[in-house]
Amino acid sequence: IAGITQAPTSQILAAGRRMTLRCTQDMRHNAMYWYRQDLGLGLRLIHYSNTAGTTGKGEVPDGYSVSRANTDDFPLTLASAVPSQTSVYFCASSRESPDTQYFGPGTRLTVL
Amino acid sequence: AQSVTQLDSHVSVSEGTPVLLRCNYSSSYSPSLFWYVQHPNKGLQLLLKYTSAATLVKGINGFEAEFKKSETSFHLTKPSAHMSDAAEYFCVVGDFGNEKLTFGTGTRLTIIP
Repeated sequence: IAGITQAPTSQILAAGRRMTLRCTQDMRHNAMYWYRQDLGLGLRLIHYSNTAGTTGKGEVPDGYSVSRANTDDFPLTLASAVPSQTSVYFCASSRESPDTQYFGPGTRLTVL
Repeated sequence: AQSVTQLDSHVSVSEGTPVLLRCNYSSSYSPSLFWYVQHPNKGLQLLLKYTSAATLVKGINGFEAEFKKSETSFHLTKPSAHMSDAAEYFCVVGDFGNEKLTFGTGTRLTIIP
């Protein structure tokens, strides 16, 4: 692994289903982030973690949860997906916060 | 509070002509400023970064940006556009003491052959 990986690449999901988006980094960065990207709105921060064991809410946290059990992994969970959560989701990491963020390739999620 | 405004949602230039993508920011403290580029169906890649050193920052692929505190601007320029520059560009601001970066809404750059 080099950098940040995200899985799955894309997913179509029925409304009401639970879904976890995975994010793993191998750079030993302390801080990790989840963003959603929507046309005309740029990137909006969902949740972040400054270090393993801590998390915080971003600009649009409702309907999402995260955990940070170790340095490398930062999964994002949609407990009960809704169509408004259709978006492209990007995971990012940085050595510390704020600092240059390095982005994963993204997950395209469609909720029907 | 910090914020960033990208003044143009879409810019079109001919190949070989200069590129100017405009960005204004608002920040309570001495900001960090970034430009990221996103090619279609890809993640974001850092172009360049300003962190209170030289006000003219050089990035990858011939891009540069100038920090102007009096104008609260951080415009991105390139002397000669190439077809491979076609992408979405994001201006980003961060304050030390604030965990979050704030992204602009993006400028789509189109290169005309």
